[in-house]
Amino acid sequence: RKEVEQDPGPFNVPEGATVAFNCTYSNSASQSFFWYRQDCRKEPKLLMSVYSSGNEDGRFTAQLNRASQYISLLIRDSKLSDSATYLCVVSYNTDKLIFGTGTRLQVFP
Amino acid sequence: NAGVTQTPKFQVLKTGQSMTLQCAQDMNHNSMYWYRQDPGMGLRLIYYSASEGTTDKGEVPNGYNVSRLNKREFSLRLESAAPSQTSVYFCASSEGVWAGNQPQHFGDGTRLSIL
Repeated sequence: RKEVEQDPGPFNVPEGATVAFNCTYSNSASQSFFWYRQDCRKEPKLLMSVYSSGNEDGRFTAQLNRASQYISLLIRDSKLSDSATYLCVVSYNTDKLIFGTGTRLQVFP
Repeated sequence: NAGVTQTPKFQVLKTGQSMTLQCAQDMNHNSMYWYRQDPGMGLRLIYYSASEGTTDKGEVPNGYNVSRLNKREFSLRLESAAPSQTSVYFCASSEGVWAGNQPQHFGDGTRLSIL
């Protein structure tokens, strides 16, 4: 079983839609959680950290469910510019981050 | 406002050739990383350096060597390139001793093709 698993998608949604991605992780000792965004053929960029109580950044909301070992990302009012691959990232008290393979989002007009 | 700078951006090699990928960061970060990204595989850690003077193997270290030249620079060397090493290579850095608790900042990648 992969340490971090994501639905590869693609998720095809119209502008203005709300879309949610889930990511599951296998190590219950995981401590740090992030969502990264990667545009086609570009470097990953930090979208947001995920905190235990959940957190919001504009149209983006991240949630953590430790009991079920998953994190989620909700995007409201999708924009064309949100089209990208979203990487779920997990760490457990080491110097390393574990990256999921990503979920591709395509927002259409 | 450079952040993490990688050179070169593109490279084509023949099987058996050697080369070094360069990475430098100007954020005074302690930790630096080298990843490769292949279709359907996601980012895989090759080597990392938690702090200046230390290096450790990641998930896929075979065929690679690294040097943490100073706090700013972390190079990746392919001694004898193989077609299986065709990939996109990303360098990243993060601050803090417990780098696993810190987000990483990435360079814009080196696209390497080995014929």
